[in-house]
Amino acid sequence: DAGVIQSPRHEVTEMGQEVTLRCKPISGHNSLFWYRQTMMRGLELLIYFNNNVPIDDSGMPEDRFSAKMPNASFSTLKIQPSEPRDSAVYFCASSSMGGGQPQHFGDGTRLSIL
Amino acid sequence: GENVEQHPSTLSVQEGDSAVIKCTYSDSASNYFPWYKQELGKGPQLIIDIRSNVGEKKDQRIAVTLNKTAKHFSLHITETQPEDSAVYFCAASKSTNAGKSTFGDGTTLTVKP
Repeated sequence: DAGVIQSPRHEVTEMGQEVTLRCKPISGHNSLFWYRQTMMRGLELLIYFNNNVPIDDSGMPEDRFSAKMPNASFSTLKIQPSEPRDSAVYFCASSSMGGGQPQHFGDGTRLSIL
Repeated sequence: GENVEQHPSTLSVQEGDSAVIKCTYSDSASNYFPWYKQELGKGPQLIIDIRSNVGEKKDQRIAVTLNKTAKHFSLHITETQPEDSAVYFCAASKSTNAGKSTFGDGTTLTVKP
C-alpha cells in the first residue's frame, strides 16, 4: 500500500503565478479530500469528492481556487492567481468510508508564495 | 454547524506516565469521533476512532472514551514513550454522505525521556 501520494512536496513561487497541486489517492478509496493547514486556522477542509463528484466545496476560499477529480486515481488543486496569504501546507486525504471522514492523509505540499 | 473544542493545547509528560486529551462537540447528531496523530513534516494519521454506539474502545496503549450525554470524548495514552510525541487532533462528524469532519485545534504532546 503506497498511501496517498502528493506532489510536489514543496513549491515556492511568486505571487500571481498559477500553482497546481496533485494527489493520487489510495487505490479503491472512493472519497478524496483537500485540506489546508496553517498555524492561525488549523486544519481546514477545502473540498471533498465522493466517487469523483464534488460533494462540498464550501471551504474553497474564493474563485482563485479550483479542484478537479477527472478519475478515481487523480485529483488536482489549482490556485490562479496565487497570493502570499495562500502560503500553507496543503494535504490530500482519501477514505473508503464513503462519507466526509478522511482516513489516510498524504504528507502534504508545503506552498510558499513570495 | 459542528464546533469541536480540544484541551489542553500543549501537554508534557514523563516517559511512562499517562496522557489524556479531551474534546467537546456541539452537534448532538454527531456520531463518529476519530483521533489523528501528526508527526513533524507528515500528514495526520488516523490512530483510533469511536462511534456513538460504543462508550469505550482500546487499541494497545491507546483508548478513547465517549460520553454522549455530556458531548465529550477523550484520548488516553498509557505508558507513554518518546515516540508518542506529536500533535494529536480530535474530530467529530455525522457518518453520512454529507457528514464532513470538524477538527479540534490540536494538542502538542511532548514525552520527556
